[in-house]
Amino acid sequence: KQEVTQIPAALSVPEGENLVLNCSFTDSAIYNLQWFRQDPGKGLTSLLLIQSSQREQTSGRLNASLDKSSGRSTLYIAASQPGDSATYLCAVNGGSQGNLIFGKGTKLSVKP
Amino acid sequence: SQTIHQWPATLVQPVGSPLSLECTVEGTSNPNLYWYRQAAGRGLQLLFYSVGIGQISSEVPQNLSASRPQDRQFILSSKKLLLSDSGFYLCAWSDSYNSPLHFGNGTRLTVT
Repeated sequence: KQEVTQIPAALSVPEGENLVLNCSFTDSAIYNLQWFRQDPGKGLTSLLLIQSSQREQTSGRLNASLDKSSGRSTLYIAASQPGDSATYLCAVNGGSQGNLIFGKGTKLSVKP
Repeated sequence: SQTIHQWPATLVQPVGSPLSLECTVEGTSNPNLYWYRQAAGRGLQLLFYSVGIGQISSEVPQNLSASRPQDRQFILSSKKLLLSDSGFYLCAWSDSYNSPLHFGNGTRLTVT
């Protein structure tokens, strides 16, 4: 059974710092991995999707990497801003129906 | 562009009452549709998914049911709510298993 773990559960950094969020999964047989952002009381916003054949994806200040063989992904946020404060979730897709298995998220706080 | 609508945003219902949450997607056809539940301190749990009209798959046995009466409409229902049904319910869609998952803004359900 696929399990997704995100460490740390919470992270606080000063504004301007570069940071890395970690995601690990137990079964390397995945189709893709997605990173999401969730603001308090809101739905999830898709940030990046990495196909199983890819090593990384970039969008603006965000860069996500995937090492399928070791069951790891990282989300790199450059030059963090207070507006980046949110919970970040990763999810792996191991089935053809697109059913994602989510981690519990990392709550990021960027202090001005 | 595609949009997803989910309502109501909040709902307070007594134990034993019925439930109907509705989700509609615009700007795409034959999407995969999903219902997730997010409980406090827990990750997102997939409840139901649908790859076409009338096709519903359930991931967990529970007090809830889902229906897809139209291509872009997904409904979550219960005949009699339990206290344990309280949570944050999220509808989502994707074009395919290898496409990003897009979420609605969610419904906060409190069963009293």
